[in-house]
Amino acid sequence: DAGVIQSPRHEVTEMGQEVTLRCKPISGHDYLFWYRQTMMRGLELLIYFNNNVPIDDSGMPEDRFSAKMPNASFSTLKIQPSEPRDSAVYFCASSPWQGGDEQFFGPGTRLTVL
Amino acid sequence: RKEVEQDPGPFNVPEGATVAFNCTYSNSASQSFFWYRQDCRKEPKLLMSVYSSGNEDGRFTAQLNRASQYISLLIRDSKLSDSATYLCVATDSSYKLIFGSGTRLLVRP
Repeated sequence: DAGVIQSPRHEVTEMGQEVTLRCKPISGHDYLFWYRQTMMRGLELLIYFNNNVPIDDSGMPEDRFSAKMPNASFSTLKIQPSEPRDSAVYFCASSPWQGGDEQFFGPGTRLTVL
Repeated sequence: RKEVEQDPGPFNVPEGATVAFNCTYSNSASQSFFWYRQDCRKEPKLLMSVYSSGNEDGRFTAQLNRASQYISLLIRDSKLSDSATYLCVATDSSYKLIFGSGTRLLVRP
């Protein structure tokens, strides 16, 4: 079975450019999560969706970040404009339900903003 | 103060050693607890859930002390393949996962 799929795996861009990260969750999972991991702050939840609806975006750092889930099999995280401090690994994860169940992580997108 | 705190390590142990990791969480409303494992440059993967009664999975034992808000992971007879970062996780009051910064384990031959 395919796990969570993320693309691109690596992204190098220049400050000010728009960056779009993509995620395909595991089929049948109702919850989708976007995380960011850095050495300084560890793994942080940015936003999560339930049945394609954003439930909690309190972790989104600022208005430059936006996320969408147009259907059950696709989500995007967009950064516009990007800044060097956005450099991190961005993980997408999915889960059958929120409370107490295992979250399955994708391989991550390693973003470098120059 | 971070919601979930762990000793970052690294713990450098020989093969066959027993190693213990500790973790504390600050939110008394936390209901669920986990240990995740993350290999270098890979995604986190669930190692085991942590139950109030304690639970064991082969060489791994996890324990929870709600009164002290303390979680532990014991690895017996450590293998080279156990080298990884171990992430302690607690849920917040809305069941979002809150990750610790991780404890790095290096098992040497």
